[in-house]
Amino acid sequence: AQSVTQPDIHITVSEGASLELRCNYSYGATPYLFWYVQSPGQGLQLLLKYFSGDTLVQGIKGFEAEFKRSQSSFNLRKPSVHWSDAAEYFCAVGGNTDKLIFGTGTRLQVFP
Amino acid sequence: DADVTQTPRNRITKTGKRIMLECSQTKGHDRMYWYRQDPGLGLRLIYYSFDVKDINKGEISDGYSVSRQAQAKFSLSLESAIPNQTALYFCATGTGLAGNTGELFFGEGSRLTVL
Repeated sequence: AQSVTQPDIHITVSEGASLELRCNYSYGATPYLFWYVQSPGQGLQLLLKYFSGDTLVQGIKGFEAEFKRSQSSFNLRKPSVHWSDAAEYFCAVGGNTDKLIFGTGTRLQVFP
Repeated sequence: DADVTQTPRNRITKTGKRIMLECSQTKGHDRMYWYRQDPGLGLRLIYYSFDVKDINKGEISDGYSVSRQAQAKFSLSLESAIPNQTALYFCATGTGLAGNTGELFFGEGSRLTVL
C-alpha cells in the first residue's frame, strides 16, 4: 500500500540551528516526492519536488531534500533555520495515479 | 486575488444541516481535489475530478458529495453534517503528474465546525 510516514510530530530548534525533517515512503513504483509547508492560517505551499535525476533537490526558502531510494526516504534539510520557518511541514508521494498521499505532518517550532 | 478561492472560510453549523463548500480557480487547471485536514492525521483525500465529467472518490468519501459545475468550480457538500466532520477542508488544483509538474495549488482552507 502507498503511504508516507513522518516520524516526528513536533520538532523544536533554535534560530540559526540546522534542521532535518524525516520522511519515509512506501510506493510500488517510481515515486514522485514533494515537501509542502503550511504556515498558520494558510494553505499549503510547495517547497520542492523530486521526479528524477539528481537526488539532491533544491527548493524555495533555502530548503533542500535528498532522495535515497535504498532507504525509501526523502528528508528535508535546511542549514540555518529562521524564525519565519515555524510552520507545519508535509511530505507527500505521488505517481502515475495522479493523486498525492500526504504524511501526517511535522510541526516546527523555532526559538529565538 | 488568490488563484484558488474557497468559500466560506469559516462556518459553524449544527448536526443534520446541509453544508456546501465552494471552490473556484483561475489557474486553468483541469484537475481539482478536496482534502480534509485533521490534527495528527495530515491531509486525506475526499474526492477528486480530472475534468467536468470525471469525478472520483478518494479515501474518505463517505458522508460527502461533490459537483464539478465547470472547469473552474468544484463544490463539496455535506448532506447531513455530523460532529466528526469538524475539520479544515482544502481545495486544490493541479495539472497532473503526467504533465511532469505534480504540484498542487491549495486554497486557504475552509474551517467547518459541526455542533
